[in-house]
Amino acid sequence: AQSVAQPEDQVNVAEGNPLTVKCTYSVSGNPYLFWYVQYPNRGLQFLLKYITGDNLVKGSYGFEAEFNKSQTSFHLKKPSALVSDSALYFCAVRDIKTGANNLFFGTGTRLTVIP
Amino acid sequence: ETGVTQTPRHLVMGMTNKKSLKCEQHLGHNAMYWYKQSAKKPLELMFVYSLEERVENNSVPSRFSPECPNSSHLFLHLHTLQPEDSALYLCASSQDPRGATNEKLFFGSGTQLSVL
Repeated sequence: AQSVAQPEDQVNVAEGNPLTVKCTYSVSGNPYLFWYVQYPNRGLQFLLKYITGDNLVKGSYGFEAEFNKSQTSFHLKKPSALVSDSALYFCAVRDIKTGANNLFFGTGTRLTVIP
Repeated sequence: ETGVTQTPRHLVMGMTNKKSLKCEQHLGHNAMYWYKQSAKKPLELMFVYSLEERVENNSVPSRFSPECPNSSHLFLHLHTLQPEDSALYLCASSQDPRGATNEKLFFGSGTQLSVL
């Protein structure tokens, strides 16, 4: 079975500080991993993805994520948080073995950046 | 704007009503999806259409009935819903008709549905 866990419902960080949003995954084969962001009253927007290659992936708005196979993690990071980064963040995984349409999302983590 | 438009933005309906949600994508994509978003739960994939054919139905109750008349439009017909069906319903699209595993999805803003 494949799944994604986002252990924190809520993350608060002061503006200018580094932020981390955690994600761990479980798949039977090799994962394709994604981060999406949802701003208020909007749909999800793609941030970044890991398919293969370099474990450190850079995405939109200065975000990056590090794929760690031994820890089955794909944490989202940003060196310096902005108030405008406040949103709901979703981690998602696709299992290469099970088929193209099965994208499994986590429950989301609400990030609040405090001015 | 993501190029995926959903209407209406908000919908309140009684359990005996029939209503429809509409999704339109202006991206020339070949696959379209319906997701259900409930608080504190993972997004649930409901249906997938590839080149206007339904390729996935994730054990969704029959009170939800999808329709894809062409590659740009997707509907979700609702009939005799239950209060627990209240949620944000998101439409998404992707380029590759196979829904290739390394593709990103483009989401609409969703329809917030309340069932009374």
